[in-house]
Formats: sequence, C-alpha cells, structure tokens
Amino acid sequence: AQSVAQPEDQVNVAEGNPLTVKCTYSVSGNPYLFWYVQYPNRGLQFLLKYITGDNLVKGSYGFEAEFNKSQTSFHLKKPSALVSDSALYFCAGIMTTDSWGKLQFGAGTQVVVTP
Amino acid sequence: ETGVTQSPTHLIKTRGQQVTLRCSSQSGHNTVSWYQQALGQGPQFIFQYYREEENGRGNFPPRFSGLQFPNYSSELNVNALELDDSALYLCASSFGTSRREQYFGPGTRLTVT
Repeated sequence: AQSVAQPEDQVNVAEGNPLTVKCTYSVSGNPYLFWYVQYPNRGLQFLLKYITGDNLVKGSYGFEAEFNKSQTSFHLKKPSALVSDSALYFCAGIMTTDSWGKLQFGAGTQVVVTP
Repeated sequence: ETGVTQSPTHLIKTRGQQVTLRCSSQSGHNTVSWYQQALGQGPQFIFQYYREEENGRGNFPPRFSGLQFPNYSSELNVNALELDDSALYLCASSFGTSRREQYFGPGTRLTVT
C-alpha cells in the first residue's frame, strides 16, 4: 500500500540548534510531497511542497526539505530552531495513482524546542 | 491564516444523532476536501468535492455524506453518530483537482457522548 511514514513521535531540540523532522514514503513512481504544521487548537498550515525538479525545496518560516528518491525520504529541516517552532508537524503525500488531491498523512511528529 | 472558515468551532452530540458541519473555501478555490483527525493521529481523507460533484472518497461509510454549493462552500453530514466519530473535522480548499497544496480551515471539534 502506498503510504507516508514519520518514524519519530517526538523530536526535542535546543533553541538555536538544527532541527530535522523525518519522513519516508512508500510508492511506485514519484509522489507529490508536502509538509504541514499544526499549532494547538488550530488547523494545518502549509509549509512547503515537492512536485518535481530541484530536490531541495524552500518553504515558509525558514524551513526547507530535501527529497531523496534513493532513500524514499523527504526530511524537513531548519538550520536554527526557535521556541515558536514547537508544534505538531505532518508529512503528507499525493500518490501518483491518484489523479485528484487525496492527501495521505503521516502520524505526525511533535517538535519541542527548549530555550 | 488561510481564507478557509469552518462552523461551528465545537459541538457536542449524542450517539445516534445527526450533525452538519460547514466550510467556506478560500476565494478563487473550487475544490473542497474533508478530513477527520482523531486525537493523536494524522488526518484521514473523507471525500473531495469539485464543482459540486464528489470527486473521490476515502474509507468512510455512507453515513458520511457531503454537498458542495455553487459558491464552492461545502457541508459534511454525518448520520447515526457513533462514539468513534469524536474527532477534529478539517476542511481544506484548493484550486482544481490536480496535485496542488490544500489550505486548511481551523476545524470543527465534534464530541459524541
């Protein structure tokens, strides 16, 4: 089955240190991949997407993600984390067999940035 | 903030009742998708509406139904509520049915007792 997975339930990082949130996908061909962030009692906010082309994608709030086809990964990164980055992060994909926009989400990774 | 709005913010229903949730899409968007997010889980796709027609459906029973109106706003209806229907219901709007990013509303928190 085609799917998106986030192997870490929680990531802890000190403010100012690099932040990485991991995502892997399982699909034949190239999926369209997205990252969203969810703050408490809020909906999901779009951060960035990979469709095709450059494997390094830059998004909102200083986040970027690297698409790696050989490792089937799409990890989210930020060079210097802020306390305000503490939130729930979701990786999502639209699989190549879907001609319409059905987003398949990972289970989410809670990011905790400590001062 | 996106231009997607949802109402109500919260509601409490009793098992067996019916509920209607509403969503207004972002200006210029003609596609609405609905997702169910249970506590501690990622959102699960319910269905998508494009130009007032259901364009795709996830693994949800027929008691989950929807509508899209000419102004592209949408409703999600759930009949015969079950305790497991307690969740955050998210509406997302986008343009067209291609693989574009979707913009989410704040959600409706449904509690079934």
